[in-house]
Amino acid sequence: GDSVTQMEGPVTLSEEAFLTINCTYTATGYPSLFWYVQYPGEGLQLLLKATKADDKGSNKGFEATYRKETTSFHLEKGSVQVSDSAVYFCALIAGNKLTFGGGTRVLVKP
Amino acid sequence: DAEITQSPRHKITETGRQVTLACHQTWNHNNMFWYRQDLGHGLRLIHYSYGVQDTNKGEVSDGYSVSRSNTEDLPLTLESAASSQTSVYFCASSEFTGNSPLHFGNGTRLTVT
Repeated sequence: GDSVTQMEGPVTLSEEAFLTINCTYTATGYPSLFWYVQYPGEGLQLLLKATKADDKGSNKGFEATYRKETTSFHLEKGSVQVSDSAVYFCALIAGNKLTFGGGTRVLVKP
Repeated sequence: DAEITQSPRHKITETGRQVTLACHQTWNHNNMFWYRQDLGHGLRLIHYSYGVQDTNKGEVSDGYSVSRSNTEDLPLTLESAASSQTSVYFCASSEFTGNSPLHFGNGTRLTVT
């Protein structure tokens, strides 16, 4: 079946550091890919998405490119802030079924 | 603004009791979902619905039920609460297209003692 694998956290880094969270997937067909973010005490919010190969999703300084050849959708941000501390989930939709990765906790220290 | 609301935000109940968690959305979405979130397991799908009178089991549906009598609401019932059902529960909704993202509520933290 479909699956999403993302790096385990927690990832701890300093303010203004570069952030990468790896995400790889297996799916039949041509899934759409998403990154969701969960801030403490809240539900998940859509951060960005890409619907076909080579698409780049971007939002709030975060970017991810849909790489079909490596079945990956890595999340990057060039300069993180304390307010980016959250749990990040990679996800895919294939055949109307949504599959989440296990989540990566990111902690940004001042 | 459209939103999705869960209630209560926190609930403590005893083993064996029936518990119902409410979910109400004003997006007018056909699709609604219930997930539970546990450390080490990420988000796991409990039940989902693609429209009124439609309900389907997810990967961890045992001990849970849902009903969909209107577009806005999908209540989740724990028939006889067990300690293994202590978790944070999230409701979500989406438009009826394959690429549509989910809109999540803020969750209900349930403790079964």
